[in-house]
Amino acid sequence: KQEVTQIPAALSVPEGENLVLNCSFTDSAIYNLQWFRQDPGKGLTSLLLIQSSQREQTSGRLNASLDKSSGRSTLYIAASQPGDSATYLCAVEMDSNYQLIWGAGTKLIIKP
Amino acid sequence: EAGVTQFPSHSVIEKGQTVTLRCDPISGHDNLYWYRRVMGKEIKFLLHFVKESKQDESGMPNNRFLAERTGGTYSTLKVQPAELEDSGVYFCASSVSSYEQYFGPGTRLTVT
Repeated sequence: KQEVTQIPAALSVPEGENLVLNCSFTDSAIYNLQWFRQDPGKGLTSLLLIQSSQREQTSGRLNASLDKSSGRSTLYIAASQPGDSATYLCAVEMDSNYQLIWGAGTKLIIKP
Repeated sequence: EAGVTQFPSHSVIEKGQTVTLRCDPISGHDNLYWYRRVMGKEIKFLLHFVKESKQDESGMPNNRFLAERTGGTYSTLKVQPAELEDSGVYFCASSVSSYEQYFGPGTRLTVT
C-alpha cells in the first residue's frame, strides 16, 4: 500500500531564504507526482507535475525533483516571499488518470 | 479517526446518464470542498460548503452539475446528463477551519 509522507509538518523561515520541502513515498512504481499549494479558505492550486520518466520540473522560483528509486521528491523554493506562505501538499498517482494518494502537507510560514 | 471517504471509487456510465458521487467528510468538519481532475490535467476547484451552505460555487462548470450537503454531513455531486468531457477524477476534501484540507482518494468517473 502506497504511503506518502511530508517532512517537516510545519516550517517558518525569514523572507529571502531558499528552502526545501520533502515528500517521500513507499512504492516507487508511481505514474506521476504532483505538488500543490493550499491557501487558507481557498481551493487547491497545482504547482508542478513530474511524470515518472522525468527528474525535475521548474516553474519560476519553484523547482521540484523526483528520485523514484529512493522514493523521494523535493520542492525547492528560491528567495522565499511572504506570499509563499501556505500549506504545500504532494500527491502521487499510481495509474494514469486515477486516484491520488496524498501527503499530509507542510505548513510554510515566511516571516517578513 | 476515519479520513475522508468517497463512493464509488470508480463509476462507468454512458453519455446522457446520471451519476451521483458521494463524499463523507471527517466527522466534525464543517468545510467540505469538491475538486475535479479532467483527463490528466491539473486539479480544479468546483465548490465549497460550510455546513449545508454553499460558500463558493464559482468552479462549477455548468448546470449539469448539482452539489448538495443536506444536514451538513455528507455531500453528493450529481452529474445529469453526463457528457464525455466529464470523465476524470472527482476529489472531495474537508477541513475544520480555513486550514488543512484533508483529501479523499477520489472517484474516477468514466463516461463512454
